[in-house]
Amino acid sequence: GAVVSQHPSWVICKSGTSVKIECRSLDFQATTMFWYRQFPKQSLMLMATSNEGSKATYEQGVEKDKFLINHASLTLSTLTVTSAHPEDSSFYICSASSGTGNQPQHFGDGTRLSIL
Amino acid sequence: AQKVTQAQTEISVVEKEDVTLDCVYETRDTTYYLFWYKQPPSGELVFLIRRNSFDEQNEISGRYSWNFQKSTSSFNFTITASQVVDSAVYFCALSNWGGSEKLVFGKGTKLTVNP
Repeated sequence: GAVVSQHPSWVICKSGTSVKIECRSLDFQATTMFWYRQFPKQSLMLMATSNEGSKATYEQGVEKDKFLINHASLTLSTLTVTSAHPEDSSFYICSASSGTGNQPQHFGDGTRLSIL
Repeated sequence: AQKVTQAQTEISVVEKEDVTLDCVYETRDTTYYLFWYKQPPSGELVFLIRRNSFDEQNEISGRYSWNFQKSTSSFNFTITASQVVDSAVYFCALSNWGGSEKLVFGKGTKLTVNP
């Protein structure tokens, strides 16, 4: 089946650091990738939708300048949390879609981000 | 606007009991998709099922079954003869097209199956 690799799976860093999370579709071309955030014991909330080669579409309340999304190729999207602070600590999950409409999104295994 | 409601926050059962997880959704779209995902403690999302709005047939997969009723906007999930390994958070989700559009998740139901 389709595989999406997300890296790193866990990161701990100091406040003020920028952190990059990668999401790769390993065996299909992902025209669209989604980034979700999940706070402890809460649901997944969509942060942004990115289409290959174009700017990401952010959900209301998500800071574009803080959460930089790049989708430069059909197999890779990155989320960079800039100048991270403790309140950014969360579980971030990406998903990838081939855009055919017939296949569900495929999720990565998520990244646990802890900002000290 | 789309909305998914999972009224049960936590459920605890004893192994071998049957358990039903409720899901009620709201959408103005005539074409939509409903999903169930399992999230074990390790965090990854495990896809369980996708159902489109035109197909109201119930589905059974092993110990899992799903009941989709458009009349009540519900898509309930039943686990028969529950096992300890079924312990996880289960999310119901909705999208407006093909699963390639963004998913709207319910708040999830934490299921604990005790031995």
